[in-house]
Amino acid sequence: GDSVTQMEGPVTLSEEAFLTINCTYTATGYPSLFWYVQYPGEGLQLLLKATKADDKGSNKGFEATYRKETTSFHLEKGSVQVSDSAVYFCALIYLSGTYKYIFGTGTRLKVLA
Amino acid sequence: EPEVTQTPSHQVTQMGQEVILRCVPISNHLYFYWYRQILGQKVEFLVSFYNNEISEKSEIFDDQFSVERPDGSNFTLKIRSTKLEDSAMYFCASSEDQVGGRGYTFGSGTRLTIV
Repeated sequence: GDSVTQMEGPVTLSEEAFLTINCTYTATGYPSLFWYVQYPGEGLQLLLKATKADDKGSNKGFEATYRKETTSFHLEKGSVQVSDSAVYFCALIYLSGTYKYIFGTGTRLKVLA
Repeated sequence: EPEVTQTPSHQVTQMGQEVILRCVPISNHLYFYWYRQILGQKVEFLVSFYNNEISEKSEIFDDQFSVERPDGSNFTLKIRSTKLEDSAMYFCASSEDQVGGRGYTFGSGTRLTIV
């Protein structure tokens, strides 16, 4: 069945470092792909999305490109800030009866000043 | 920005007791969901709800679980006789459309601990 695999954390970086969080997926069709972020004490917030191959989603300096050939949707940011410390979830949406999400396990990012 | 509100944020319940988790979805959303995340594991789909009935439920959502929209604003998840393995973070979500192409709006979650 469809699945999402993302790198385990925690990831600890210094401020202004480059961030990559890997995400790969397995899907029978052509799912839409998402990154959600959860800041401490808050809900899951949509960070960015891509709906078809080669689409690039971007928001708040984060980017991810839908790579069909490698079935990947890696999250990147050129220069992280302390305020980016959160848990990041890669997800896809698929149709089985109704539409529903499959999430990765989440990657905790900690950015040190 | 509109929010999905969940209460309580933390709930500790004795095994075998009933628990009700509450959610207030975004007012103009029509589709409602419950997901859960057992510590260290993936966020899993439990149930979707539309037009006052369940649209889809997962294998996890057995007879111990039920959902209800008792009025125009609340959306509740009830676990009738809790088990230790029900301990998890429970997320409520809502969306404008079925496809969720704009993303769902999730609440901040209720951490349920069964003792």
